[in-house]
Amino acid sequence: ETGVTQTPRHLVMGMTNKKSLKCEQHLGHNAMYWYKQSAKKPLELMFVYSLEERVENNSVPSRFSPECPNSSHLFLHLHTLQPEDSALYLCASSPDRETFGEQYFGPGTRLTVT
Amino acid sequence: AQKITQTQPGMFVQEKEAVTLDCTYDTSDQSYGLFWYKQPSSGEMIFLIYQGSYDEQNATEGRYSLNFQKARKSANLVISASQLGDSAMYFCAMREYFSGSARQLTFGSGTQLTVLP
Repeated sequence: ETGVTQTPRHLVMGMTNKKSLKCEQHLGHNAMYWYKQSAKKPLELMFVYSLEERVENNSVPSRFSPECPNSSHLFLHLHTLQPEDSALYLCASSPDRETFGEQYFGPGTRLTVT
Repeated sequence: AQKITQTQPGMFVQEKEAVTLDCTYDTSDQSYGLFWYKQPSSGEMIFLIYQGSYDEQNATEGRYSLNFQKARKSANLVISASQLGDSAMYFCAMREYFSGSARQLTFGSGTQLTVLP
């Protein structure tokens, strides 16, 4: 399997549920990213991990909790979400944070919070 | 002020014709990179083309070319010989270089391109 994969592709959860989104990259990259894409809004960067260390956190509410156990895997743990958190969540990776190389995106997880 | 501006929320083009998607950017950095991504209805973001701020020639990748006008701070995407499969949302993005390291990508709001048969 190649590229960046994300599971699940679709997720419906209630406001009291706890769920996790998973991202895996098979490209040997050292940097991984979580983005949120809401309808009719630009992509919003949520978190950046470089060599398994969180290096950026763009004022994301604590109900979103990222985890990067190794350079190939990235998780986004979700709990007590709000309906406005419904969006497409995209994972991306790049060789590292320091180069201008393009980011490779996964197919995204379509999250609906009811 | 917005870093990346895409003024065309939607565009239509006839199959086999060329189309230009507009993108203007705002930065005070001398070193930066400009990217275009395509997002079909399936959701995946697909990298199309990259232009570095110091590149003197416009980038080209197959049917895609980037019309880079540095003084005007514009980086328009030109798609030649449009195909039905080109129908998608297109995003312009910029990556700035600050204090020895690259910042994250900043995306525009996107242009929805529809190719008509």
